[in-house]
Amino acid sequence: DAKTTQPPSMDCAEGRAANLPCNHSTISGNEYVYWYRQIHSQGPQYIIHGLKNNETNEMASLIITEDRKSSTLILPHATLRDTAVYYCIVRSPQTGANNLFFGTGTRLTVIP
Amino acid sequence: DADVTQTPRNRITKTGKRIMLECSQTKGHDRMYWYRQDPGLGLRLIYYSFDVKDINKGEISDGYSVSRQAQAKFSLSLESAIPNQTALYFCATSDFGRSQETQYFGPGTRLLVL
Repeated sequence: DAKTTQPPSMDCAEGRAANLPCNHSTISGNEYVYWYRQIHSQGPQYIIHGLKNNETNEMASLIITEDRKSSTLILPHATLRDTAVYYCIVRSPQTGANNLFFGTGTRLTVIP
Repeated sequence: DADVTQTPRNRITKTGKRIMLECSQTKGHDRMYWYRQDPGLGLRLIYYSFDVKDINKGEISDGYSVSRQAQAKFSLSLESAIPNQTALYFCATSDFGRSQETQYFGPGTRLLVL
């Protein structure tokens, strides 16, 4: 599975959009981009995933560049409860689970 | 009720003791996983199971064993606990096919080995 690169930390003002970038320049054609977050030692929480089209759900939007080498997770109106570590993961559902890699993610702090 | 539950939530044990962490799920998923997380680090995969008769080692399986008693239950054992197994342990489930391997995590078990 392709590796990802994320900034270690970001701040966002409460009520503003939080845009979290992820680079995955070695992504292959059958690999999906997944985003999870972990709030202070709780179990990681699934946010959204996509293959090549932009995706939106009740939590966030995922924008994937046309060449698929990078993506951005957008939290449209960040709240204090969105403070968490956000993980970008790239993998193919067809591969074995033994190479799932969470990495160290981006620590997002939402500021009042 | 939570879809993925873990027991115990916290455990303190001594070096050399055998302990078991349990995971149950009501999501009806075939695939289950055990991860550990150390402070400041990402999650690392210990073992995973794609169905009741399937057990596979992850990247850090040494010192651990698992049992898949039923589709809904996946237990992790530390045969002889050592201090560097002090960590936060997470169980997860996924349903291959319907959601492209989206994983759903339990609340975690915080383990301290003295």
